[in-house]
Amino acid sequence: DAGVTQSPTHLIKTRGQQVTLRCSPISGHKSVSWYQQVLGQGPQFIFQYYEKEERGRGNFPDRFSARQFPNYSSELNVNALLLGDSALYLCASSFGGRNEQFFGPGTRLTVL
Amino acid sequence: SQELEQSPQSLIVQEGKNLTINCTSSKTLYGLYWYKQKYGEGLIFLMMLQKGGEEKSHEKITAKLDEKKQQSSLHITASQPSHAGIYLCGADNDGNKLVFGAGTILRVKS
Repeated sequence: DAGVTQSPTHLIKTRGQQVTLRCSPISGHKSVSWYQQVLGQGPQFIFQYYEKEERGRGNFPDRFSARQFPNYSSELNVNALLLGDSALYLCASSFGGRNEQFFGPGTRLTVL
Repeated sequence: SQELEQSPQSLIVQEGKNLTINCTSSKTLYGLYWYKQKYGEGLIFLMMLQKGGEEKSHEKITAKLDEKKQQSSLHITASQPSHAGIYLCGADNDGNKLVFGAGTILRVKS
């Protein structure tokens, strides 16, 4: 079975631009979470979606938004990019509730 | 909010040696995850511990959860170059929103 997939792998944007990152969960998993990992730190929770509804939001500005589609895939959108948004963005899927979370390979975003 | 502190921040061990990584929580642990990460890549799930005193093993890696101490330890026996990477502990905080430690960088010299 395929694991969690994310696209694109790498992305370079300039300040002020907008970006959309995509995630496909493991087949059968209904929950998707997004994390931001800055170099040298552990991942920081951004959003969690379960059955297409937002179930949690971390301490991130409103420039960050996400949604989950009927097939349980998800998109993370970041508007008005700042240099500090440069990071590895990780998507994790789980069956639901308090289950193990399995991570994708991440999308490396560089903001110039 | 919950915080996780990992120690050591980094370590270098000779191949074949044993090592231990610790993860201490500022709050009660209801679920503790261990992940491994290669630089710049995604996280590989190692183990999940849910009950105080629980101990799990996978190949040469053993993890324990001490609920009273709000601490978990990850022990690698007879380290190999393939064990090199960043080890991250994550705690289940308020409904599957994981809070992570800063990570422990492990290098294995052959």
